[in-house]
Amino acid sequence: SQQGEEDPQALSIQEGENATMNCSYKTSINNLQWYRQNSGRGLVHLILIRSNEREKHSGRLRVTLDTSKKSSSLLITASRAADTASYFCARGAGGTSYGKLTFGQGTILTVHP
Amino acid sequence: NAGVMQNPRHLVRRRGQEARLRCSPMKGHSHVYWYRQLPEEGLKFMVYLQKENIIDESGMPKERFSAEFPKEGPSILRIQQVVRGDSAAYFCASSPPLASSSYNEQFFGPGTRLTVL
Repeated sequence: SQQGEEDPQALSIQEGENATMNCSYKTSINNLQWYRQNSGRGLVHLILIRSNEREKHSGRLRVTLDTSKKSSSLLITASRAADTASYFCARGAGGTSYGKLTFGQGTILTVHP
Repeated sequence: NAGVMQNPRHLVRRRGQEARLRCSPMKGHSHVYWYRQLPEEGLKFMVYLQKENIIDESGMPKERFSAEFPKEGPSILRIQQVVRGDSAAYFCASSPPLASSSYNEQFFGPGTRLTVL
């Protein structure tokens, strides 16, 4: 079945609110990455968190990783209309498969002005 | 500092024709990856290449699809005898060499949207 399952599938919030998206996976990871995709465009890399890290911040983004629960979350604080996009988590494996990212289905975030 | 370049951005083919998608990685990047995205879905890994080598092609369909990354020039994803089910967005990504601290990060191109009539 699909790795990097995301929840919720869609999220609709008002500008200024926080948005939390979750990602679960089934097998071991070397790292987990979050990407954003605006409609009809390519993916933009947001954050990479390694398996030995628990939390990372980048501007208004906060990513946590719980390897015991095989889950990660992406928090966007003080959301803006420009944050409207699809957000994907991607599992990076180690060893000889390190180059292969396995993506989830994504969360569609809509931020209303 | 140009990012990952893909061309064409849009490609229309009739069933049975060949599609060639090109990808130029970021400067200094030596690894290229191809992914396919069907409508309303996430990206699915297809193949991972270094110069003149296929490292992992576990996501490539067994027939009609091939990829190369020659010593000179862009990486090419080739689809022979296209069918309607090949219609999708095809994304290329590149990453720095293994010696780089950010070798795990992949930088994506804008994609090629293939439509098969």
